[in-house]
Amino acid sequence: QKEVEQDPGPLSVPEGAIVSLNCTYSNSAFQYFMWYRQYSRKGPELLMYTYSSGNKEDGRFTAQVDKSSKYISLFIRDSQPSDSATYLCAMKGSQGGSEKLVFGKGTKLTVNP
Amino acid sequence: EPEVTQTPSHQVTQMGQEVILRCVPISNHLYFYWYRQILGQKVEFLVSFYNNEISEKSEIFDDQFSVERPDGSNFTLKIRSTKLEDSAMYFCASSLRTSGGKGNEQFFGPGTRLTVL
Repeated sequence: QKEVEQDPGPLSVPEGAIVSLNCTYSNSAFQYFMWYRQYSRKGPELLMYTYSSGNKEDGRFTAQVDKSSKYISLFIRDSQPSDSATYLCAMKGSQGGSEKLVFGKGTKLTVNP
Repeated sequence: EPEVTQTPSHQVTQMGQEVILRCVPISNHLYFYWYRQILGQKVEFLVSFYNNEISEKSEIFDDQFSVERPDGSNFTLKIRSTKLEDSAMYFCASSLRTSGGKGNEQFFGPGTRLTVL
């Protein structure tokens, strides 16, 4: 079983749609969960950063973590063409442990005007 | 807003040559990282660096790779004898990481695309 799994898509939605992106993971030691946005041939840009289980909201973005199911989600409300990018989930272990981020393969999203 | 910068943006080299990729992390950050992304594949961790020494490295980071912080601002990745399979995007990242757990976020640079011919 891969450590972090993410459906690569591609995912195509109309402007204004709610987008749901997901990752599953197998390592129960993961405590910190991140979503990065990556435009073509650019570096990952941090969107959301959460610790342990629960929800976090930032503008149009909501991140959810369900550690019991080893499942994390990113929701994008009122999606815009500028949201078109590849979305990467990433995670790492506890404070004082490994700083290594383990990434999913990324989901390519296109928002059509 | 402070950001991580990397040079060059694109490096082309012949197999067997040495390359040095350069990064300027965010100025008050204490932890530095290199990751790579082979085209179409996941971003993979290479190495983390703190207090002038390697704190963690992956299986990919073999004897051909080395890292250095030659001065107060730069952080470099050297590949001694490049192979075709080293062709990838190389990303530098940095984090503040305080003892209270805040500042763990890793911020990435724009990457250097390394092409080995």
